[in-house]
Amino acid sequence: DQQVKQNSPSLSVQEGRISILNCDYTNSMFDYFLWYKKYPAEGPTFLISISSIKDKNEDGRFTVFLNKSAKHLSLHIVPSQPGDSAVYFCAASSRTSGGGADGLTFGKGTHLIIQP
Amino acid sequence: DAGVTQSPTHLIKTRGQQVTLRCSPISGHKSVSWYQQVLGQGPQFIFQYYEKEERGRGNFPDRFSARQFPNYSSELNVNALLLGDSALYLCASSPEIAGGGEKLFFGSGTQLSVL
Repeated sequence: DQQVKQNSPSLSVQEGRISILNCDYTNSMFDYFLWYKKYPAEGPTFLISISSIKDKNEDGRFTVFLNKSAKHLSLHIVPSQPGDSAVYFCAASSRTSGGGADGLTFGKGTHLIIQP
Repeated sequence: DAGVTQSPTHLIKTRGQQVTLRCSPISGHKSVSWYQQVLGQGPQFIFQYYEKEERGRGNFPDRFSARQFPNYSSELNVNALLLGDSALYLCASSPEIAGGGEKLFFGSGTQLSVL
């Protein structure tokens, strides 16, 4: 039973346009959400995060939106650049359950391809 | 500063064998977590160690065990290997207990193939 779902295995976007990656979750105990980016032969690298007390967090070209009522978050990349081509993982954790020691729950990832 | 280092990078074993994977965290990081990533899936949490004690465990059988040393490095052991254990094993470190908001710093992983 997947608690974090990324329903788009891949997404192709033209360079300079906006990339929107989506993520849904089912566990209402999740209160912290993160996006990681992964290049081939490398480990995931942290991109941006958001706490459940916020609905938006912005860092440069990256913005994460959280809709708690819909249990949905999205990552916006504007403008998209060729170096953004990678696999993006959505992850969630619960700080109120187990003191946060239960690890992150990841989605399956979305492969973003930026077309020149 | 060096990032999270894992060894070996690749490993081939046969069913029934035992394997030990190693991880050195970023200097100053006290917590080490282990994740398993099967092809086509996201990383799945195995263990978290903090100050040499197990602080969290995912849904993995007892064949999986780990430990953390006084220098905060860690080993992951898997006994009685099954074909389904073939995966990329990722180690991640964080300054304090992760999952509560601390972002994780991942190594490049050990690719384990079980034949």
